[in-house]
Amino acid sequence: GAGVSQSPSNKVTEKGKDVELRCDPISGHTALYWYRQSLGQGLEFLIYFQGNSAPDKSGLPSDRFSAERTGGSVSTLTIQRTQQEDSAVYLCASSYPDWSSTGANVLTFGAGSRLTVL
Amino acid sequence: KQEVTQIPAALSVPEGENLVLNCSFTDSAIYNLQWFRQDPGKGLTSLLLIQSSQREQTSGRLNASLDKSSGRSTLYIAASQPGDSATYLCAVRPSPGANSKLTFGKGITLSVRP
Repeated sequence: GAGVSQSPSNKVTEKGKDVELRCDPISGHTALYWYRQSLGQGLEFLIYFQGNSAPDKSGLPSDRFSAERTGGSVSTLTIQRTQQEDSAVYLCASSYPDWSSTGANVLTFGAGSRLTVL
Repeated sequence: KQEVTQIPAALSVPEGENLVLNCSFTDSAIYNLQWFRQDPGKGLTSLLLIQSSQREQTSGRLNASLDKSSGRSTLYIAASQPGDSATYLCAVRPSPGANSKLTFGKGITLSVRP
């Protein structure tokens, strides 16, 4: 597509429920990132996918968070047993792979999914 | 651990004013630095990217400079307009490649008064 698409744009859930957030990256962008932006905080790295390689999960804050990427394209971030501190905007970004000559280091971000846990 | 600081957190200026937004980082061993704009309820839009070997980049009314040795970058906005009102974030990348993670500042929220 023309840009990075994220859904839902807004999600309100009750504490303890599971949520799934979806990211559809730009076609041809094999690198995909999830970031979290909490109120008054900077962007916090969560997870990184590159093609079929094992993802870099070093930023996931707890084992309640997981993500997968099917077919090297769409990614889903899952938060189990949500807590109030999970409330944030979850941003997805994509870029060309390392070996690309066309701007491997320029990330394109989606509009984000705003999660509110009551 | 790299830390990126943007001060002040918020800035209000009258329309037409030239202004400078500051960004500082603690580890000068960076590969590049990127400035983003974020409008309320929106994602981030890349404005300018400066490689570590470069001193500045320009796009329209925007000019970004980089002094890697002192750990500083500035974003200069000429003749500010109300449409420039947004949050501006800087981010540094430590090494080449998509697997090198960006470290972001918390951003500066700019308000340009008509």
